[in-house]
Amino acid sequence: QQQVKQSPQSLIVQKGGISIINCAYENTAFDYFPWYQQFPGKGPALLIAIRPDVSEKKEGRFTISFNKSAKQFSLHIMDSQPGDSATYFCAASLARDDKIIFGKGTRLHILP
Amino acid sequence: EAGVTQSPTHLIKTRGQQVTLRCSPISGHTSVYWYQQALGLGLQFLLWYDEGEERNRGNFPPRFSGRQFPNYSSELNVNALELEDSALYLCASSRGSNQPQHFGDGTRLSIL
Repeated sequence: QQQVKQSPQSLIVQKGGISIINCAYENTAFDYFPWYQQFPGKGPALLIAIRPDVSEKKEGRFTISFNKSAKQFSLHIMDSQPGDSATYFCAASLARDDKIIFGKGTRLHILP
Repeated sequence: EAGVTQSPTHLIKTRGQQVTLRCSPISGHTSVYWYQQALGLGLQFLLWYDEGEERNRGNFPPRFSGRQFPNYSSELNVNALELEDSALYLCASSRGSNQPQHFGDGTRLSIL
């Protein structure tokens, strides 16, 4: 059972544009929602994270929007740059078991 | 601050063999997590160790095991290797339960 569904699988955006990746979750007990960025040959790097008591969190060009009632959250990358080209994973976890459940990932390509 | 370090970076084994992967957490981190990133299956939680104890386990057979040492470093052992064990094995660490997890660059295990 896939508990975190991520879309799209791949995304191509022009330099300077907005990249948007969407995720939906099933378990309403999840209480921590991180996003990870992974470059080829590297491990996932924590990008930004949110807890369900907040509807939006912004860090630089990266913003998480969180809709608790719809059980959905999304990552917005403003002014996308070629260096942002990577695979992005949304995820969710429960405080009591520390197990991160990952989405399948989105391969983002920013055209120069 | 040094990140999570894993060794070796690459490993080639044959079916039926046993393998040990190693992980050193970020200084000050007491929790260590192991994940498997297999092609087509995404990132899957394997094990969580905290203060030397196994705290949680993912849906993997008992031939996947590990331990955490007093200095908080950890080993992942896989016995009776099967072809489908070919994957990138990622280690993450955190300051404790319900804290952000930071990943190493993984060990690429290939089973022939």
